[in-house]
Amino acid sequence: DIQMTQSPSSLSASVGDRVTITCRASQSISSYLNWYQQKPGKAPKLLIYAASSLQSGVPSRFSGSGSGTDFTLTISSLQPEDFATYYCQQSYSTPPVFGQGTKLEIK
Amino acid sequence: QVQLQESGPGLVKPSGTLSLTCAVSGGSISSSNWWSWVRQPPGKGLEWIGEIYHSGSTNYNPSLKSRVTISVDKSKNQFSLKLSSVTAADTAVYYCARDLEGVVAAYNWFDPWGQGTLVTVSS
Repeated sequence: DIQMTQSPSSLSASVGDRVTITCRASQSISSYLNWYQQKPGKAPKLLIYAASSLQSGVPSRFSGSGSGTDFTLTISSLQPEDFATYYCQQSYSTPPVFGQGTKLEIK
Repeated sequence: QVQLQESGPGLVKPSGTLSLTCAVSGGSISSSNWWSWVRQPPGKGLEWIGEIYHSGSTNYNPSLKSRVTISVDKSKNQFSLKLSSVTAADTAVYYCARDLEGVVAAYNWFDPWGQGTLVTVSS
């Protein structure tokens, strides 16, 4: 299986900050990388698909980039509702694998 | 829009079989999508279990394949998960989700998801 490693595992930031979360694949996955947001007690929500495409209805402050093995999720200006856990997921090969998650907390 | 809702027992005994159903509303399970199960142990990350197409074709995670069966009931617009020989390690929130084109397709993602249901394995 392809392994997905996110960094950092947790992050403290303030409203208005610019935040970047990194996801690294154990081998090249081209642009087959998705990002999800999960709030406590809720299901994951798709934010970004195919590395950089914004899912419909997702605010434009979220963006994704990268290809090959290294990917980033950027939130340009943190809003109170953005404090959550974020997961990357590779869809290059079966089985699909998620990263371990990055918990974004309020500073 | 499509909505998914999981249902099933919240408590299963060790060595028993976990059985869950996912009801699809706002769309047809016979559309050109696949339908997946994903689980999340308490406080941990997400693990894909398997998926089914309305034709009955399935793909499973090799790590669980020997214990998993996913089936579809088109007349009820729902699909189901059975996980046999469960242990405490199978305690998790189980989610159903739509996946766009199936895991064999590289461009594939999970959206939307059901709200999830907690299944505890305990005697």
